[in-house]
Amino acid sequence: DIQMTQSPSSLSASVGDRVTITCRASQGISNYLAWFQQKPGKAPKSLIYAASSLQSGVPSKFSGSGSGTDFTLTISSLQPEDFATYYCQQYHSYPYTFGQGTQLDIQ
Amino acid sequence: QLQLQESGPGLVKPSETLSLTCTVSGGSISSSSYYWGWVRQPPGEGLEWIGSIYYSGSTYYNPSLKSRVTISVDMPKNQFSLQLISVTAADTTVYYCARVPMGLGFDFWGQGTLVTVSS
Repeated sequence: DIQMTQSPSSLSASVGDRVTITCRASQGISNYLAWFQQKPGKAPKSLIYAASSLQSGVPSKFSGSGSGTDFTLTISSLQPEDFATYYCQQYHSYPYTFGQGTQLDIQ
Repeated sequence: QLQLQESGPGLVKPSETLSLTCTVSGGSISSSSYYWGWVRQPPGEGLEWIGSIYYSGSTYYNPSLKSRVTISVDMPKNQFSLQLISVTAADTTVYYCARVPMGLGFDFWGQGTLVTVSS
């Protein structure tokens, strides 16, 4: 199985900040990488697919980059609604696997 | 607008079978562009992919669950289903169904349903 490792596991930031979350795959996955946002008690929301493409309706403050084994999710100008847990996921090969999550809290 | 809705018992006894259905509305489950999948999440923990199915019936399962899982599709009802046999307390999680565009990861998710395994 491909292991996905996110860092940091938790992150505190302030409204207006720009933050970056990193995701590393245990082997190359090309750009078959997605990012999700999840709020407590809610289903994950798809943000990015193919490492850097925004899902329809997702604001451009979210951006993704990377290829191979190293990927990043950047969120600019944090707003209160952005504080949530973020997951990466590889869909290069079965079984699909997720990172352990990064909890983004208000500082 | 596409919507997915999970349904099924919220309580299952140990050693019995967990059965859930995902009803798709606003789109056709027989589209050739999509797989349909199940993902689960223990309370307060991370996400685990269970498996995916194509409308033709082709399935892919997580090896960690493969011996206990069956995913099936019912095209006339526009539904797909999950069966997990011989459940234990470790199967107490929120179960999500989702659409999986080919080559694009998951896009639409159901709201999730909590299944508790307890006698």
